[in-house]
Amino acid sequence: DQQVKQNSPSLSVQEGRISILNCDYTNSMFDYFLWYKKYPAEGPTFLISISSIKDKNEDGRFTVFLNKSAKHLSLHIVPSQPGDSAVYFCAASRTLTGNQFYFGTGTSLTVIP
Amino acid sequence: SQTIHQWPATLVQPVGSPLSLECTVEGTSNPNLYWYRQAAGRGLQLLFYSVGIGQISSEVPQNLSASRPQDRQFILSSKKLLLSDSGFYLCAWSGDTQSGEKLFFGSGTQLSVL
Repeated sequence: DQQVKQNSPSLSVQEGRISILNCDYTNSMFDYFLWYKKYPAEGPTFLISISSIKDKNEDGRFTVFLNKSAKHLSLHIVPSQPGDSAVYFCAASRTLTGNQFYFGTGTSLTVIP
Repeated sequence: SQTIHQWPATLVQPVGSPLSLECTVEGTSNPNLYWYRQAAGRGLQLLFYSVGIGQISSEVPQNLSASRPQDRQFILSSKKLLLSDSGFYLCAWSGDTQSGEKLFFGSGTQLSVL
């Protein structure tokens, strides 16, 4: 059963515009959320995270928003750059157990120059 | 600083042959270790995780097994590979106090079972 879902398999955005990637989760016990970026044939790299005690975390061009009541989080990239083209995975975990990280199916972002 | 090594980078194996993928972590002690698989067109599926030597938890029943013979070594094995075992296998670690709750991934192994 997929506890973390990314319903958009792909997204295309013009360079300079905002990219919004969405993620939903079903397990209300998740309290820590992460976004990873992955290029083909490489391991994912950590991008940004957010704890459930916050609803927003910002790091440069990347901002993650968390809506606990809707069990939804989103990653905003602004302005989008061609180098941002990659597959983005959201992940969730429970800090009490701290052992298991559950990933969504990924969204392939293409930033068009 | 902490580093994670995973090998080989690519592997082509016939159906029915055995498998052994190795992962080692440096620069940390008592990490949590993980094996993930990314099948074609799919997300990252957690296969196994380990919180200590000899402690393995399996997330999905399948044709694979994992072992942790040393604190910073994690091995993924199979006695007989199936076509469905093809995919991109990723080792990862977490748990160092400096790294917080983040997962750090290796560079992956592309396994093709023919």
